[in-house]
Amino acid sequence: QKEVEQDPGPLSVPEGAIVSLNCTYSNSAFQYFMWYRQYSRKGPELLMYTYSSGNKEDGRFTAQVDKSSKYISLFIRDSQPSDSATYLCAMSARGGSNYKLTFGKGTLLTVNP
Amino acid sequence: KAGVTQTPRYLIKTRGQQVTLSCSPISGHRSVSWYQQTPGQGLQFLFEYFSETQRNKGNFPGRFSGRQFSNSRSEMNVSTLELGDSALYLCASSLGQAGGEAFFGQGTRLTVV
Repeated sequence: QKEVEQDPGPLSVPEGAIVSLNCTYSNSAFQYFMWYRQYSRKGPELLMYTYSSGNKEDGRFTAQVDKSSKYISLFIRDSQPSDSATYLCAMSARGGSNYKLTFGKGTLLTVNP
Repeated sequence: KAGVTQTPRYLIKTRGQQVTLSCSPISGHRSVSWYQQTPGQGLQFLFEYFSETQRNKGNFPGRFSGRQFSNSRSEMNVSTLELGDSALYLCASSLGQAGGEAFFGQGTRLTVV
């Protein structure tokens, strides 16, 4: 079983839709959770960063972490064509020698005008 | 504030050759991590450096090596290139604490022919 599972999609939605992106993980040591957005031929851009369980909102983006279910989500409200990209979840553990991120494989999102 | 700079952006090398990639982190960041991104495997962790010391290493063969200089700039070297080394190589910069936010460069696209 992979440490982080993410549905690769592709996911296609109309402009203005609410988008839900999800990842599950198996390593209970993960405590830091991130979402990155990656446009074609570009590096990943950090969108959201959360520690432990709970919700975090930033503009049209909301990140949710449910550690009891080992499940994280990213919601995009009022989606725009400019949101079309690959979304990557990433997570890391605390302490020890865990100075690395473990990524999901990414979900390709297309928002149609 | 300047972001993470990776050079060169594109490289074409012949099987058996070696290659050196460079990464300049965000000013003040002392940690540099390297990742390999391929369509099949996604983003995979190569290694992480902090204050010129390798703190963490992924599951890659010894042909992949790196180093960090006193100004936090980092280089990654791949020797005896194989066709399977063709990938986007990404560098991430952070302050260096476990679980800290990591910011990526645009990557170096390496093609091995």
